Amino acid sequence: GESVGLHLPTLSVQEGDNSIINCAYSNSASDYFIWYKQESGKGPQFIIDIRSNMDKRQGQRVTVLLNKTVKHLSLQIAATQPGDSAVYFCAENTSYGKLTFGQGTILTVHP
Amino acid sequence: NAGVTQTPKFRILKIGQSMTLQCTQDMNHNYMYWYRQDPGMGLKLIYYSVGAGITDKGEVPNGYNVSRSTTEDFPLRLELAAPSQTSVYFCASSYGTSKQTQYFGPGTRLLVL
Repeated sequence: GESVGLHLPTLSVQEGDNSIINCAYSNSASDYFIWYKQESGKGPQFIIDIRSNMDKRQGQRVTVLLNKTVKHLSLQIAATQPGDSAVYFCAENTSYGKLTFGQGTILTVHP
Repeated sequence: NAGVTQTPKFRILKIGQSMTLQCTQDMNHNYMYWYRQDPGMGLKLIYYSVGAGITDKGEVPNGYNVSRSTTEDFPLRLELAAPSQTSVYFCASSYGTSKQTQYFGPGTRLLVL
């Protein structure tokens, strides 16, 4: 079936570096994508979203890039901080009101 | 606004027991969802609801039941608990428009022994 997956299960960076987390999706009909951050023992927290009619969207220290040609989504975090350490999930809207989540990438930020 | 709240935070069940996981949202969202998250994995949709009185199955509905009598509440019922249902359960809600951002509760950790 259709699925969303991540290229890298773990990512370690130094504080102050930029982080890039990648996600591949297979459903070409998906029209909406979201990145979530999940800290240990907590529920997923919305970070940023993007519609399929956009290639790039920026938030505070975060940027999401969407490449529909290769069905690839990425999350860029600028000046990564220890508080950014968490699991990051991408999710795609596969049908109205329903999201399919990827496995997740563990981001560890070293001081 | 409290957002999405879930109770209990943690529960241990014996095999064959039943329980109800509670979920309440105060954002007047039409859509509500139940997910389970196994260790090191993403979220899998169990059931969802597009409004009071309307529910539908997700990816992994077996062993669970739901009801939606009000906009605010969406309880998840486990009948005859099995070890395979050991997981963390998350409730979420959304406006249900074309922008499907879902807001999650803090989760319920369930251990079936």
